[in-house]
Amino acid sequence: DAGVTQSPTHLIKTRGQHVTLRCSPISGHKSVSWYQQVLGQGPQFIFQYYEKEERGRGNFPDRFSARQFPNYSSELNVNALLLGDSALYLCASSTGQGDGYTFGSGTRLTVV
Amino acid sequence: GQQVMQIPQYQHVQEGEDFTTYCNSSTTLSNIQWYKQRPGGHPVFLIQLVKSGEVKKQKRLTFQFGEAKKNSSLHITATQTTDVGTYFCAGGSNYKLTFGKGTLLTVNP
Repeated sequence: DAGVTQSPTHLIKTRGQHVTLRCSPISGHKSVSWYQQVLGQGPQFIFQYYEKEERGRGNFPDRFSARQFPNYSSELNVNALLLGDSALYLCASSTGQGDGYTFGSGTRLTVV
Repeated sequence: GQQVMQIPQYQHVQEGEDFTTYCNSSTTLSNIQWYKQRPGGHPVFLIQLVKSGEVKKQKRLTFQFGEAKKNSSLHITATQTTDVGTYFCAGGSNYKLTFGKGTLLTVNP
């Protein structure tokens, strides 16, 4: 059974540009969460989606948005990129019933 | 908002020594989860604790959840080089995890 897949694995963008990151959850998992991890820190919660509805949003600006599709895959969009958006973006899937999360390998975003 | 603190930030041990990391929350937690992240890798789920005073074991790893559900610990007995990585605790709620900064464990063979 495939794990959580994220694409792309690495990305370099210029300040002011837009980026779309993609995630496919484990089959059968209806919940997808997005986390941002900067070097030396723990992951920071951005969004959670369950059954295509936003369940929660972290303390991130409106430049960050996300959605979940009928097949439970998800996209994270970031507009007007800043240097400080450089980080590892992690997608995590779960059943949505309060169990542990399975993280993908992440997308390493570098903004120059 | 909820804050989760972990100590120590770093721990270097000789192979065979024990290791403990501690986690404290500013608020009562509904559950706590522990993750391990190898260098260059992604967090991997280890365990979830839900009940006050709960203790769970996984081979050489022992996890505890405090009576007040505001603190937790992870103890590794007789560390091995394969234990190297950053151990994170994360307070769980209905829809999000609040991670601590983690404890980086290095093991000298």
